[in-house]
Amino acid sequence: NAGVMQNPRHLVRRRGQEARLRCSPMKGHSHVYWYRQLPEEGLKFMVYLQKENIIDESGMPKERFSAEFPKEGPSILRIQQVVRGDSAAYFCASSPAGTGLNTEAFFGQGTRLTVV
Amino acid sequence: GQSLEQPSEVTAVEGAIVQINCTYQTSGFYGLSWYQQHDGGAPTFLSYNALDGLEETGRFSSFLSRSDSYGYLLLQELQMKDSASYFCAVQTGANNLFFGTGTRLTVIP
Repeated sequence: NAGVMQNPRHLVRRRGQEARLRCSPMKGHSHVYWYRQLPEEGLKFMVYLQKENIIDESGMPKERFSAEFPKEGPSILRIQQVVRGDSAAYFCASSPAGTGLNTEAFFGQGTRLTVV
Repeated sequence: GQSLEQPSEVTAVEGAIVQINCTYQTSGFYGLSWYQQHDGGAPTFLSYNALDGLEETGRFSSFLSRSDSYGYLLLQELQMKDSASYFCAVQTGANNLFFGTGTRLTVIP
């Protein structure tokens, strides 16, 4: 039973390009959460999705950022026209349906985005 | 606003005991979790307290006092591999974890 899979592990983009980060939840999990971690800081909630639905995007910047979790395939976090301040580690977590982040969140290894 | 406070750095000797404190002020509270994160790695779950008291899991224990908005993580018989960052996180809603900024633990021989 594979854990939460994120790819790529490392992503380098030039300013103005687009970044697409992928997250495949654990088998049997249908809820996905995205967090951002800046160097030497904690994780900050961005968005919570279920299959084909965005449930809570209160932590996501209103511009340039979007997320989806289609019926088939991984969840995608998309950052358009990246800027240097977007450089961070982006973590995805998953949980089974109906439990939310009740007691334990399973995190992926993260995607480290560097904007040059 | 919401805030979690924990020390930024702690150093302890191998074999010793260390306590990492966490105080919180949040708009909702379901429980307090602790996560470990090694450099470049994923946060991994250590413990969760929803009720007051001490939860013990092997060398690690976690304590919660809801009336004091306070908790701590206790690591016993420290090993070099315990060097990592430790985050307390408050479950503020059914589907949201609010993380502290982490405590970097360095275990020295």
